[in-house]
Amino acid sequence: KQEVTQIPAALSVPEGENLVLNCSFTDSAIYNLQWFRQDPGKGLTSLLLIQSSQREQTSGRLNASLDKSSGRSTLYIAASQPGDSATYLCAAYTGGGNKLTFGTGTQLKVEL
Amino acid sequence: KAGVTQTPRYLIKTRGQQVTLSCSPISGHRSVSWYQQTPGQGLQFLFEYFSETQRNKGNFPGRFSGRQFSNSRSEMNVSTLELGDSALYLCASSGTQGGGEQYFGPGTRLTVT
Repeated sequence: KQEVTQIPAALSVPEGENLVLNCSFTDSAIYNLQWFRQDPGKGLTSLLLIQSSQREQTSGRLNASLDKSSGRSTLYIAASQPGDSATYLCAAYTGGGNKLTFGTGTQLKVEL
Repeated sequence: KAGVTQTPRYLIKTRGQQVTLSCSPISGHRSVSWYQQTPGQGLQFLFEYFSETQRNKGNFPGRFSGRQFSNSRSEMNVSTLELGDSALYLCASSGTQGGGEQYFGPGTRLTVT
């Protein structure tokens, strides 16, 4: 059974700082891993999807990496802004339809 | 292209009642998945439909059911509501049978009193 955890659970940083969010999964037989952002009381916004054959994906100030052998993915946010404040979730896909297993989330606050 | 839409956005029900939530996927997507999000349990998978067939089901009681129509719109139903069913219910659509990017709707906030 796939289990996904995210550390830290909460993070507060000053504006402009570069930061890394961590995601760990127990079953390395994943097909892909997707990172999402969730604003309070809202739905999920897809940020990046990394296929198992890839090691990195980039979109603007975001860079996500995937290391299947170690069971880890990281989301790097460069030059953080107050608008980046949200909860970040990672989700692993291990096949069998479109079921995603979600991590516990990291609540990020970027302060002025 | 319009995104995933969910109706209603907010619902208040009393214990013992039943409720039906609706999800319209992105045009052309045939896969719709449902998730329950609570502060204590996080995001948990309920079920997935693809071309009107349920392909996966999470570990939820039989009070939770769903269906998908020929136009890919999906509904989920919860019967005999309990206080613990209060949650944000999210649906996601995908354009592939598996492994593709998933897109989420804004959710339906259900409060059971």
